[in-house]
Amino acid sequence: EVQVLESGGGLVQPGGSLRLSCAASGFTFSDYAMNWVRQAPGKGLEWVSVTSASGGNTYYADSVKGRFTISRDNSQSTLYLQMNSLRVEDTAVYFCAKGNGDNVNSSPDYWGQGTLVTISS
Amino acid sequence: QTVVTQEPSFSVSPGGTVTLTCGLSSDSVSTNYYPSWYQQTPGQAPRTLIYRTNIRSSGVPDRFSGSILGNKAALTLTGAQADDESDYICMLYMGSGISVFGGGTKLTVL
Repeated sequence: EVQVLESGGGLVQPGGSLRLSCAASGFTFSDYAMNWVRQAPGKGLEWVSVTSASGGNTYYADSVKGRFTISRDNSQSTLYLQMNSLRVEDTAVYFCAKGNGDNVNSSPDYWGQGTLVTISS
Repeated sequence: QTVVTQEPSFSVSPGGTVTLTCGLSSDSVSTNYYPSWYQQTPGQAPRTLIYRTNIRSSGVPDRFSGSILGNKAALTLTGAQADDESDYICMLYMGSGISVFGGGTKLTVL
């Protein structure tokens, strides 16, 4: 059974940093692209970032470019999102989602339950 | 700034058929945008229904189908049931690694 499980959320002050993790199981992690998607309270889904299966290609939404870094450890079947210079508007539930293929055009097919990130002073 | 457009709300009668659409403010949607569709109820993670225009995700009933209709991507639900009442969100791949979600359609079954 495919599973992805996010962790690392919490309360951080504006300007702070946080690293999210996503532990994957039930599939060959190194064969699939992985996405981060977020959802602010009461708002719609926002695509945040994607990494190709190898990790060699990474892309970001304009809203997080230069502040967030996606990475993966294929030996540990784990995806990461390093978030720096956090802003109040980054407050959201962050979902890890497996892509349906190895390329960065692979949309999510399996989703985690999400981890809540709250940015507040 | 490209905007992905969806109907804010739609209603369907139990047993009825409804088609939701996903468009672009500045272009026609084609298979090159790899449209995908998601179902989400409040407080829950999204569930993938359709990817690459018309491929049903594992476990999704064939009451859900995806297509291109005119200049938009479309999600058609046939034989609507009460538990289909949910938000339906599309996503388009814009190229250069970037994807964008639409604002979602709130579907009411009544």
